[in-house]
Amino acid sequence: NAGVMQNPRHLVRRRGQEARLRCSPMKGHSHVYWYRQLPEEGLKFMVYLQKENIIDESGMPKERFSAEFPKEGPSILRIQQVVRGDSAAYFCASSLLQGNTEAFFGQGTRLTVV
Amino acid sequence: QKEVEQDPGPLSVPEGAIVSLNCTYSNSAFQYFMWYRQYSRKGPELLMYTYSSGNKEDGRFTAQVDKSSKYISLFIRDSQPSDSATYLCAMSLNAGGTSYGKLTFGQGTILTVHP
Repeated sequence: NAGVMQNPRHLVRRRGQEARLRCSPMKGHSHVYWYRQLPEEGLKFMVYLQKENIIDESGMPKERFSAEFPKEGPSILRIQQVVRGDSAAYFCASSLLQGNTEAFFGQGTRLTVV
Repeated sequence: QKEVEQDPGPLSVPEGAIVSLNCTYSNSAFQYFMWYRQYSRKGPELLMYTYSSGNKEDGRFTAQVDKSSKYISLFIRDSQPSDSATYLCAMSLNAGGTSYGKLTFGQGTILTVHP
């Protein structure tokens, strides 16, 4: 049973480009969460999605960031017009039931903006 | 003031030592408390999960929650070099509502267990 799969593992983008980060949850899991980990900081919640619905996006920056979890396919975190401050590790987690108490994390995507 | 405070360390102990890791928090509404282990360049791995106050033991690991003091701990007995990692505490609110899905993490404590 594969775990949470994130790709790419490493992504380099120039300032102003778009970054697309993908997350395939564990089989049977319909709840997905995105977190960002900046250097020397803990993980910060960004967004919580269920299939075709955004449940809680209180941690998402108001501009340039969007997330989706379509009926078919992986969840996508999209960052438009990236800036150097977006450089971070982005982690996706999934859970079987509502709530993050027993969520499983992926290996993360490390975004570097040059 | 951060909602969850965790001493980042680093903490270095000899093999076989008992390790104590701690977090304090300010939001009394937190009900679920978790400890994650994160190896370098990897994703967090859930170690322990506790609901409300009390103790929970799993092998060499013991998690304690003291809601009256807003203080949680993770103890590692007979520590091993393979325990060297960053340990993150995390908390979430009570069930119900959209906030239920959101985890609030501490900064993480870097632990090194040397042979």
